[in-house]
Amino acid sequence: ETGVTQSPTHLIKTRGQQVTLRCSSQSGHNTVSWYQQALGQGPQFIFQYYREEENGRGNFPPRFSGLQFPNYSSELNVNALELDDSALYLCASSLEQGAGEQYFGPGTRLTVT
Amino acid sequence: SQQGEEDPQALSIQEGENATMNCSYKTSINNLQWYRQNSGRGLVHLILIRSNEREKHSGRLRVTLDTSKKSSSLLITASRAADTASYFCATVQNAGNMLTFGGGTRLMVKP
Repeated sequence: ETGVTQSPTHLIKTRGQQVTLRCSSQSGHNTVSWYQQALGQGPQFIFQYYREEENGRGNFPPRFSGLQFPNYSSELNVNALELDDSALYLCASSLEQGAGEQYFGPGTRLTVT
Repeated sequence: SQQGEEDPQALSIQEGENATMNCSYKTSINNLQWYRQNSGRGLVHLILIRSNEREKHSGRLRVTLDTSKKSSSLLITASRAADTASYFCATVQNAGNMLTFGGGTRLMVKP
C-alpha cells in the first residue's frame, strides 16, 4: 500500500453533469499529480499541484480543474462530462515537484452514460 | 500523446522463465521509470533510472537504459505467477514535471 487513498472507488454520471474526485496524499508529500487512464491504455497526465498551486498541465481542456489543500488532500473536478471522460482517474503524490518516484492511489473508475 | 511505447504489447511465459519488456521513447529525458499495475488498479513504482545511468538492479528486476537509442528494457528473472500484471514505462523530460507513459506490456505468468 502506498498510503494514497482515493474516493469514491466507482462513480456513474450522466453526460453534461459535473463530478468531483478526491485524493488524500501520503503524509508529508507536497506534490500531487492527476492522471486519466482509458481502458487498455497508459495513464495520461492531467495536471500537477505543488504547495496548492498548479505546477504543470497536460493536454486537457479547462473543464478539468483541480485543488490542493494544506492537509495534503486534493480534488479533481470535471465539468460538462462527455462520454470520452469515462476512465480510471489516478492521483499520485510525491515528495518534490517535478517527477521523481510517484506514489499512486487505487484510482476512481468513472463511467459517463 | 504517449512518449514511450512498450514492446511486446502482451507476453505469456511459464513460471520460472525470464520476462523481458522493452520501451522506446522519442525525446531527451531526465529519467525513466517502470511501474506495475494489477487489474486496472493503482500503479506501483518499480524502479527509476536516470539519464546518466546505464543499468540498475532491484531484487529480481534489472533495468537498462540506452539514451543513444532512446530505449530501455525491464528484465524480470525467475518469474512467478504473482508477477502477472501490466508493466508501464514512463519518461520524464528534462526540466519536466510529468510522467509520460507508454501503452504498457501485459504480462501473464502461468503456474
